[in-house]
Amino acid sequence: DARVTQTPRHKVTEMGQEVTMRCQPILGHNTVFWYRQTMMQGLELLAYFRNRAPLDDSGMPKDRFSAEMPDATLATLKIQPSEPRDSAVYFCASGQTGQPGDEKLFFGSGTQLSVL
Amino acid sequence: GENVEQHPSTLSVQEGDSAVIKCTYSDSASNYFPWYKQELGKGPQLIIDIRSNVGEKKDQRIAVTLNKTAKHFSLHITETQPEDSAVYFCAARGRYTGFQKLVFGTGTRLLVSP
Repeated sequence: DARVTQTPRHKVTEMGQEVTMRCQPILGHNTVFWYRQTMMQGLELLAYFRNRAPLDDSGMPKDRFSAEMPDATLATLKIQPSEPRDSAVYFCASGQTGQPGDEKLFFGSGTQLSVL
Repeated sequence: GENVEQHPSTLSVQEGDSAVIKCTYSDSASNYFPWYKQELGKGPQLIIDIRSNVGEKKDQRIAVTLNKTAKHFSLHITETQPEDSAVYFCAARGRYTGFQKLVFGTGTRLLVSP
């Protein structure tokens, strides 16, 4: 059963530390999205990639967040330095685009981040 | 840009009753409307979706209706069961531009009591 895999599932860190979250999209999918979920803001789009190229990261604080896709099987979201306000659940989602009808997005189980 | 509003924020029903969740969107060019179910500790899971060229779609106990004129769409769950308890999110996506940038509603927490 194909699924999006995210690691770690939980991360507790201290303010100022670097945090790296990883995502393995579904094999064959060519788009990857990073979402952040909080009680106050709901699901916010941070960044997305198509064919490993970043197409939109306007939702991401540029000074501390960075997103990359080193290869087709790995996407990373990095926060450096982390702050308590970054505490949230971070979801990765993947999909297949290229023609109308390929809109379905599939989410991973998320990384719950707590910055103390 | 697109803005999606979702109501109610919480919904409590008795097992066997029907549940309806409603969403409105702002961009008349939006053409794809998925619904996601999120259980505790898990990521959102796609349960049903509808495109703008269709007015209604049904899959067993769940159905989605779309009114393009009024720019609203609804999720209907019939014969609810305790395992339907979760948070449900609607979403809307603008006219196809080669990527699936979805704007989500704020979620509805559904509680089905036995």
